[in-house]
Amino acid sequence: GAVVSQHPSRVICKSGTSVKIECRSLDFQATTMFWYRQFPKQSLMLMATSNEGSKATYEQGVEKDKFLINHASLTLSTLTVTSAHPEDSSFYICSAPLSGRRETQYFGPGTRLLVL
Amino acid sequence: AQSVTQLGSHVSVSEGALVLLRCNYSSSVPPYLFWYVQYPNQGLQLLLKYTTGATLVKGINGFEAEFKKSETSFHLTKPSAHMSDAAEYFCAVSDLNDMRFGAGTRLTVKP
Repeated sequence: GAVVSQHPSRVICKSGTSVKIECRSLDFQATTMFWYRQFPKQSLMLMATSNEGSKATYEQGVEKDKFLINHASLTLSTLTVTSAHPEDSSFYICSAPLSGRRETQYFGPGTRLLVL
Repeated sequence: AQSVTQLGSHVSVSEGALVLLRCNYSSSVPPYLFWYVQYPNQGLQLLLKYTTGATLVKGINGFEAEFKKSETSFHLTKPSAHMSDAAEYFCAVSDLNDMRFGAGTRLTVKP
């Protein structure tokens, strides 16, 4: 089946630094990818929709300048957490729909971010 | 607007017992419904989904769910729990433009 990878799987950084998370669709092309954030013992909250060749669409309350999204190619989207702070510590998950169909959405394994 | 309610944040069953995880949804259009499983520090894995057609949907690992429009429910069941079923389970509803997840239910399986 289709596979979505994320890198890194885990990152620890100091407050004030920026962290880049990559999301790749390994065997299919994805013009759209989704970025979610999950706090401990909570559900996934959609942060933004990444669109290849155009600007990302952010959900209400998500800071665009804080969470920079770049959909560089049909298989790669990156999320950069700029000037990270401890409250940004979370589990970040991306997903990509197969053939653009939302009902066939594949999730990455997630990236655990810890900001000290 | 869509929403999902999962009744019970934590369900505990004995190995071999019936598993029942409840999910109710709200949607203004015919919904697509999903159940995902998440193991610790991992992403979501699709268990099963309902799009159209047969209302009883069978998924992986022996799970199944039934779409009941009259009850706006999509409960997940498994006849006999296995220790490896212990995980977090998320119900989700989608209208193809948006997907909303429930808060999740943590399933514990006792030996």
